[in-house]
Amino acid sequence: GAGVSQSPSNKVTEKGKDVELRCDPISGHTALYWYRQSLGQGLEFLIYFQGNSAPDKSGLPSDRFSAERTGGSVSTLTIQRTQQEDSAVYLCASSLGAAGYYQETQYFGPGTRLLVL
Amino acid sequence: SQKIEQNSEALNIQEGKTATLTCNYTNYSPAYLQWYRQDPGRGPVFLLLIRENEKEKRKERLKVTFDTTLKQSLFHITASQPADSATYLCALVNAGNNRKLIWGLGTSLAVNP
Repeated sequence: GAGVSQSPSNKVTEKGKDVELRCDPISGHTALYWYRQSLGQGLEFLIYFQGNSAPDKSGLPSDRFSAERTGGSVSTLTIQRTQQEDSAVYLCASSLGAAGYYQETQYFGPGTRLLVL
Repeated sequence: SQKIEQNSEALNIQEGKTATLTCNYTNYSPAYLQWYRQDPGRGPVFLLLIRENEKEKRKERLKVTFDTTLKQSLFHITASQPADSATYLCALVNAGNNRKLIWGLGTSLAVNP
């Protein structure tokens, strides 16, 4: 019955390094979303996974960003060659993804705070 | 251009009063609209959903209205408490693109004892 979990909770890295952020969705949720939230900015959609369908990657800001979802459960967001402008809170959310899912609500994890020095 | 706007200024009210938060949108045709609460250092938490054919939705001390003519949703907290202090986000799903929530920047609410 646990909620969405994310790790690490905080990450400090040097410019140019790669980072991996992990998301464990709620068990049974087939839809998974990644967002980025910067200070004073709204939630920025990054990528969406739904079951076995091809992910919607339309929000990824550059080809340095990629995400995977293994076994329809855990997801990893990878940022290669990090830049200072990548500093933000990265939030993961999951939802049921059932038929009629357009009315679904999203359940968020606590986020990973990324600081690129 | 498409916009979803919430009051950028923080709202300060006295405990026991009704807080009213506004969400306006431009050049969207929302299938539905949601309100979330976000506390510092946490992810947003879902509060209420209202569909395009609904005028009002209530849940305990919360009430949401949706006026598609004015292109506006209002979020009310009655008998406000200091524990209601948080940032409140509205998000909509545009008709025809039902997988992606489009988010406002949120309005910060402070309820003073």
